Amino acid sequence: AQSVTQLGSHVSVSEGALVLLRCNYSSSVPPYLFWYVQYPNQGLQLLLKYTSAATLVKGINGFEAEFKKSETSFHLTKPSAHMRDAAEYFCAVSLSGGSNYKLTFGKGTLLTVNP
Amino acid sequence: GAVVSQHPSRVICKSGTSVKIECRSLDFQATTMFWYRQFPKQSLMLMATSNEGSKATYEQGVEKDKFLINHASLTLSTLTVTSAHPEDSSFYICSARRTGHGAFFGQGTRLTVV
Repeated sequence: AQSVTQLGSHVSVSEGALVLLRCNYSSSVPPYLFWYVQYPNQGLQLLLKYTSAATLVKGINGFEAEFKKSETSFHLTKPSAHMRDAAEYFCAVSLSGGSNYKLTFGKGTLLTVNP
Repeated sequence: GAVVSQHPSRVICKSGTSVKIECRSLDFQATTMFWYRQFPKQSLMLMATSNEGSKATYEQGVEKDKFLINHASLTLSTLTVTSAHPEDSSFYICSARRTGHGAFFGQGTRLTVV
């Protein structure tokens, strides 16, 4: 079975500070991993995805994530937080190969950015 | 872009009644849509795969008679929670598959059964 665990249901940072959202996975096969963001009253938006091409994945809005097999991790980072980054973030693993058709998500991490 | 609209965004219903949630792909056709739910403080989990013109495929542990899925057109899938109970209170979200582009999510529906 494949699953992801997001450490920390709520992360609070100051504007301009580093953002680090943690995600660990469990998978019996090489995983395909995703990060999604959900702004209030909007749908889940794909930030980035890991499909084994490169371990450091760059996404939209300045976010990136690094796949570390030895640590079974796929943490999301951004060097400098903006107020507009405040949202809920979900890590997910694919149940259908490299596509995002069937996913198992983590519980989500709410990011707040303080001025 | 690929827009998926889910309606309603919030609904409160009385125990024993049924509630219908709609998932529409606004600018593309989707032969396949997916329904997820998230209980409080739990992960977002896949419930079922909705296939246009055929029966939905349910994940293990999901009651198909309680969660009725209809995908009658290429742009609309509906999830009906029948005889709702307070334990059905959850966040339900759909995604629609756009061939060659992946799946796109709606904004979700917060269901509260009182």
